[in-house]
Amino acid sequence: SYELTQPLSVSVALGQTARVTCGGNNIGNKNVHWYQQKTGQAPVLVIYRDDNRPSGIPERFSGSNSGNTATLTISRAQAGDEADYFCQVWDASTALFGGGTKLTVL
Amino acid sequence: QVQLQQWGAGLLKPSETLSLTCGVYGGSSSVYYWSWIRQLPGKGLEWIGQINHSGSTNYNPSLKSRVTISVDTSETQFSLRLSSVTAADTAVYFCASASSGWHSSFYYYYMDVWGKGTTVTVSS
Repeated sequence: SYELTQPLSVSVALGQTARVTCGGNNIGNKNVHWYQQKTGQAPVLVIYRDDNRPSGIPERFSGSNSGNTATLTISRAQAGDEADYFCQVWDASTALFGGGTKLTVL
Repeated sequence: QVQLQQWGAGLLKPSETLSLTCGVYGGSSSVYYWSWIRQLPGKGLEWIGQINHSGSTNYNPSLKSRVTISVDTSETQFSLRLSSVTAADTAVYFCASASSGWHSSFYYYYMDVWGKGTTVTVSS
């Protein structure tokens, strides 16, 4: 079965750029979506179809997808960006999630 | 934009059936799929399954034998039933609306609006 691999944690200094990766076999041939989940809250869609931002999501959030890696990039990181981030794809008629990455803003 | 409000029993005994409902408020005609997702304690997200407006369902193979998702004809609410629960089913359960289609020759499916979640504990 298809697997998505994310780093357990990523740290970024306040105001710097954070990159959260999502690895999968030829993931560049899939549409990747990203969710932000803050403690005790429901996930929120922040990127859909690789590089599209839903209404209300800051331009600081961007996405890319090529080869075996999809990347969520958060520019000018803020304290409010601290959260768990999950990637998601559709495979074999099932929605699959990565294990999640905890982003810490220092 | 559609809003989702979910409700259901939060404490079950082993072998009972989990039953949750998600109410849909506003914009339901623009939504094609309704889905359920769960999050085990301290872990990631697990997609449970989906139903579309015509009642066609699709379930995660790991739960398929125990899951039923249904939608009322007015599409104002949809429900999840999970039978024969065990402690391993203890989780936060989320309902969500989903968008899907084809883009650049690849199929996409993502959850764009989520309910707040319901904590379900299975304990004797």
